[in-house]
Amino acid sequence: AQSVAQPEDQVNVAEGNPLTVKCTYSVSGNPYLFWYVQYPNRGLQFLLKYITGDNLVKGSYGFEAEFNKSQTSFHLKKPSALVSDSALYFCAVRDLNYGGATNKLIFGTGTLLAVQP
Amino acid sequence: DAGVIQSPRHEVTEMGQEVTLRCKPISGHNSLFWYRQTMMRGLELLIYFNNNVPIDDSGMPEDRFSAKMPNASFSTLKIQPSEPRDSAVYFCASSKWDIGEQFFGPGTRLTVL
Repeated sequence: AQSVAQPEDQVNVAEGNPLTVKCTYSVSGNPYLFWYVQYPNRGLQFLLKYITGDNLVKGSYGFEAEFNKSQTSFHLKKPSALVSDSALYFCAVRDLNYGGATNKLIFGTGTLLAVQP
Repeated sequence: DAGVIQSPRHEVTEMGQEVTLRCKPISGHNSLFWYRQTMMRGLELLIYFNNNVPIDDSGMPEDRFSAKMPNASFSTLKIQPSEPRDSAVYFCASSKWDIGEQFFGPGTRLTVL
């Protein structure tokens, strides 16, 4: 079965420090991977995606993610955290059960990022 | 582009009443998704459409829930009769096949008393 896991419910980091939000996946083929951010009382916002190509993907707000096929991971990173980065972050993988003919995503449970000033 | 539009943004109703949530996807997108988010259950996919056709409704919790997409620019999610346990934030998202990522609306916060 295809799945995505976010092992940490919450990540705490001091402002200015680097941050990492972890994500691992399990799919039967080549993964299409996504990160989303949700600020309080808002919908999910797309941050970045990996389809193919360079393993380091750059996205919005200075975030980047590294695709690691051997470790089946797609961790979200930022070199210097801001208080305004505090939000709920979701990792997602495209559901390949339909032979790729879908944009259905399987979402992780989310990780709450708290950046302390 | 205006993004995905949902209405109403907030809905408070009494148990047993019918509730209709509305969604206008981004123009040109051919997939539409309805999600529900609660603290207890997280983000759940209820149903999704490709080219206005329902593809997978396995996430619809029970027969009280129904969804329609009469055309490419409009979809509804109906709950009849509503129950307090239906209280949640309901999101609509749309996607274009060659893009992959989904774009979410602002959500409808439903409270059933």
